[in-house]
Amino acid sequence: DTEVTQTPKHLVMGMTNKKSLKCEQHMGHRAMYWYKQKAKKPPELMFVYSYEKLSINESVPSRFSPECPNSSLLNLHLHALQPEDSALYLCASSQIRQGSNTIYFGEGSWLTVV
Amino acid sequence: DQQVKQNSPSLSVQEGRISILNCDYTNSMFDYFLWYKKYPAEGPTFLISISSIKDKNEDGRFTVFLNKSAKHLSLHIVPSQPGDSAVYFCAARPTYNQGGKLIFGQGTELSVKP
Repeated sequence: DTEVTQTPKHLVMGMTNKKSLKCEQHMGHRAMYWYKQKAKKPPELMFVYSYEKLSINESVPSRFSPECPNSSLLNLHLHALQPEDSALYLCASSQIRQGSNTIYFGEGSWLTVV
Repeated sequence: DQQVKQNSPSLSVQEGRISILNCDYTNSMFDYFLWYKKYPAEGPTFLISISSIKDKNEDGRFTVFLNKSAKHLSLHIVPSQPGDSAVYFCAARPTYNQGGKLIFGQGTELSVKP
């Protein structure tokens, strides 16, 4: 079972709103990720959590705030976004070990900022 | 500096024939390579992977070949089916990897015609 579940599937928010994207996995993976993807472009890494600690922040603006409450959950808090932030936001997870650690993606949350 | 390149943005193949998707990389420090398939409005789905210590990995209709001396990776799909029509991304993991960070190519859109 390689399932990463994301909610909501679609979100429309105004530039002054505060909203959150949620992600859950029960594969025992200890690395979780947020990626952003625009149409037909490759996923762009935003954040990596390893053992529930933020290990990589790819210079993401502070209007995006990640949170990892426990080893199964990952949130992305959104505040004061811009229309250009509209994209597919992908959560992913993987094991942490030498050798193969395939990253498994969720279905994504489509975000539209108006 | 694009470390992983997919030079063909699109590929069209007849149903039943072989599809060959190519990927080149510039960094010798990659130790693990993956192929993902992406339908519109969905997250990337993991297809197949290969470790840098191997030169071939096969899974059903999908075979990945790795030529380390040429820094070249290819995905063969045979026979191709209309349901294979999607965008395919190759990805590579650096050996100095922190928490599973992947470097993605720009993607190749495969169209399999009946």
